[in-house]
Amino acid sequence: GEDVEQSLFLSVREGDSSVINCTYTDSSSTYLYWYKQEPGAGLQLLTYIFSNMDMKQDQRLTVLLNKKDKHLSLRIADTQTGDSAIYFCASPKPGGSYIPTFGRGTSLIVHP
Amino acid sequence: DAGITQSPRYKITETGRQVTLMCHQTWSHSYMFWYRQDLGHGLRLIYYSAAADITDKGEVSDGYVVSRSKTENFPLTLESATRSQTSVYFCASSEWGGAATEAFFGQGTRLTVV
Repeated sequence: GEDVEQSLFLSVREGDSSVINCTYTDSSSTYLYWYKQEPGAGLQLLTYIFSNMDMKQDQRLTVLLNKKDKHLSLRIADTQTGDSAIYFCASPKPGGSYIPTFGRGTSLIVHP
Repeated sequence: DAGITQSPRYKITETGRQVTLMCHQTWSHSYMFWYRQDLGHGLRLIYYSAAADITDKGEVSDGYVVSRSKTENFPLTLESATRSQTSVYFCASSEWGGAATEAFFGQGTRLTVV
């Protein structure tokens, strides 16, 4: 299987919460990342979490990490139309080197 | 301008031609990467470089060549373009510092092989 897996699509109504899920394979990952890609642009780092943390909150963003299940999630509170984008989960490539390995990306569609 | 820039932004080429995509970063980051983005596949690593004159293959390197004679430049060459190489190509750079390491991406090059 792939090193990082994500569901491909999520559709939410403006004002609702969005939850984007990711599973990864390398239990030795020190950091796990969420990147955002807006239409026609490159990826930008949205947030990250250190592997010894269970949760990280940053304004409307909450990252939850379940190390036992190797599951990462990104919650966006009060989702806005400007949040419509592709969200990528990323972890270092298994084997100890630092090479970002990305999931296939989740397309978040926010409708009024 | 500071940052990472790719050129060209758009390119149409014919099957069998050689084409080079350029990538330039101004931070002197050690690491540079080339990814391709295809629908349903997400981002796949083509090549990466840990420093000048050090390059290594990623998961989809066949048909591609890279070089890194200077820290700031990391061109990607398609030796004989095929239709399957039609994609959006992203260059990225990062500095491995032991802490959370952010990868910075260029705007991408949309390549169409006809």
